[in-house]
Amino acid sequence: DTGVSQDPRHKITKRGQNVTFRCDPISEHNRLYWYRQTLGQGPEFLTYFQNEAQLEKSRLLSDRFSAERPKGSFSTLEIQRTEQGDSAMYLCASSLNGGREPQHFGDGTRLSIL
Amino acid sequence: DQQVKQNSPSLSVQEGRISILNCDYTNSMFDYFLWYKKYPAEGPTFLISISSIKDKNEDGRFTVFLNKSAKHLSLHIVPSQPGDSAVYFCASTFGNEKLTFGTGTRLTIIP
Repeated sequence: DTGVSQDPRHKITKRGQNVTFRCDPISEHNRLYWYRQTLGQGPEFLTYFQNEAQLEKSRLLSDRFSAERPKGSFSTLEIQRTEQGDSAMYLCASSLNGGREPQHFGDGTRLSIL
Repeated sequence: DQQVKQNSPSLSVQEGRISILNCDYTNSMFDYFLWYKKYPAEGPTFLISISSIKDKNEDGRFTVFLNKSAKHLSLHIVPSQPGDSAVYFCASTFGNEKLTFGTGTRLTIIP
């Protein structure tokens, strides 16, 4: 399977703990995106990278959130001091740069805050 | 500020008939439009897209129509099959960057 891979699939943690998610994009894709989806809503953009450069961050991404893509391949999304409102599905997508290339999504990491 | 709207939360269609899903957008800067299909516990799967320079794009049973003056797009599925039962999201973007999604339409195909 050469699709977008996310790990873990599920994460349950207590409020106040830090969590980190990993995304491995499709290998030749140089763009990588993070989205968050809550119940009854469509995915909402968080941030995206072109290679290792983080090009845009949503205002949804508070200072408790940080994302990295150190070598332009996999990416991590860390949430510090988790809050109840962070409970959501975190989705990663990747695409080729330029032209009309669709974003391809992984199956997400479901975060539950106790 | 909901820039992409899917006003029908759900739709039921008889197997073999046409399914029509609708989407409206407000941002005139959007120049690329996509439809995704989502099954429970899976990520969205890309279905079909259309650039703003076109008004129709077909791929097998799926056709997307774009009406720029009305800021409206629709997805036609014909004939509808039981495996088409899923949540469908439309999404829009400009500059091939971040996607803005609608809230989804749950399609149920009745055998």
